[in-house]
Parts: sequence; C-alpha cells; structure tokens
Amino acid sequence: GENVEQHPSTLSVQEGDSAVIKCTYSDSASNYFPWYKQELGKRPQLIIDIRSNVGEKKDQRIAVTLNKTAKHFSLHITETQPEDSAVYFCAARPSGGSYIPTFGRGTSLIVHP
Amino acid sequence: NAGVTQTPKFQVLKTGQSMTLQCAQDMNHNSMYWYRQDPGMGLRLIYYSASEGTTDKGEVPNGYNVSRLNKREFSLRLESAAPSQTSVYFCASIPQGFYNEQFFGPGTRLTVL
Repeated sequence: GENVEQHPSTLSVQEGDSAVIKCTYSDSASNYFPWYKQELGKRPQLIIDIRSNVGEKKDQRIAVTLNKTAKHFSLHITETQPEDSAVYFCAARPSGGSYIPTFGRGTSLIVHP
Repeated sequence: NAGVTQTPKFQVLKTGQSMTLQCAQDMNHNSMYWYRQDPGMGLRLIYYSASEGTTDKGEVPNGYNVSRLNKREFSLRLESAAPSQTSVYFCASIPQGFYNEQFFGPGTRLTVL
C-alpha cells in the first residue's frame, strides 16, 4: 500500500517568514495530492490540492509543488501570519481502489508574532 | 447543507462498555470513511464504505465494527471499549469522481477509562 512520509513534525517561524513542509510517497499510481489544515479542536479542511499532471499550483500565499519522478511534493506558505498556526497534513490518493487517501503524520506549524 | 455531521461530540466510557458513533452526510456522497486521530500519528483509517451496502477494513480495524445503514449514514461501533481506543474519531465522505475533496465531520472525542 501507499506510504506517506511528512517532515518536519514541528515547524516554528517568525511572522512574515516562509514555511515549507515536505512529503514523500511510495506508490507511483498516486495521482492526487491534497493538503489539509487543522486548527486546534477543529476538523481537517482542504486548503490546496494538486493533480499529477501539474507541477505547481498557487493560491494567494500558499503553493504546492509536485515532483512525480522523485515522488515528493511540498507545501509553501509565504508571508506567514499567526492565523496560519495549525497542523498541516499532506495526503496521496492512488488512481485505483476506492478513493482512499493515505495521510502523512502532520506538521505542527507555529507562527510567532 | 449541513455537510458531514457526527454525534456525540464527546463521550467518556468505562473499559468494556459499548457504544456507537453516528455519522451522516447530506451531500449524496458515495464513499464514507472512519478515521482515528492520535497525537503524532496523523489520520489512520479504521473502516470505509465505497458505496451503500459495502464496507471494508482500513489500517486499524481491530476492536471496531461499522454499518452503512443507507447512503447517508455510516456508524462505527465499539463492542467492548479499551483505553487504547481513547482518541478523536472523524467521519469523512468523498463525492463520486477521482479529484474530489474529502469532507470531514467535526469529530468525536472519546475517552475510555
């Protein structure tokens, strides 16, 4: 089955700095890579996703890059703000099966004012 | 639309007690999922249902049973609760179609004493 590794587990930055979270996956059949943000005590919510036929996608201050050859993808947050503080999860979903995504273990991002 | 709803929000059980966690979605989604979330472990799949009438085991099914009552409802049952089942449980659903967002319920925080 799919295995998703996520690093770092904790990331602490100053407000205004950039933050990068990296994930690797093992199943070359994975074609869809969503990122979720989970605030304390809340449910995970999708913030951005990327499909396998795209190398990069951007939405305001967040961007995701994908390298299918190396089987890794990354989340980039620029100009971080205190409200970006949360746990971020990456996931990979293979094109076959029952739409089952495999999640990374999460990165706790702390943005210091 | 209410989206994905879960009941209860909080529950405390004694070892050996049983209970059922309820989940419902009003978005006409085919696939539904139950996850548990433990600190540092990400989201681990317990069971899923690709469509009404079908259920399959995920990564950590031991100690749990599920029922896909109809297209809207997917319940998770703990027959004899153990302290190792103390966790936050999330229900989720995905609409038909590969590149679709997974929607999560608000979660149930379960403590087994």
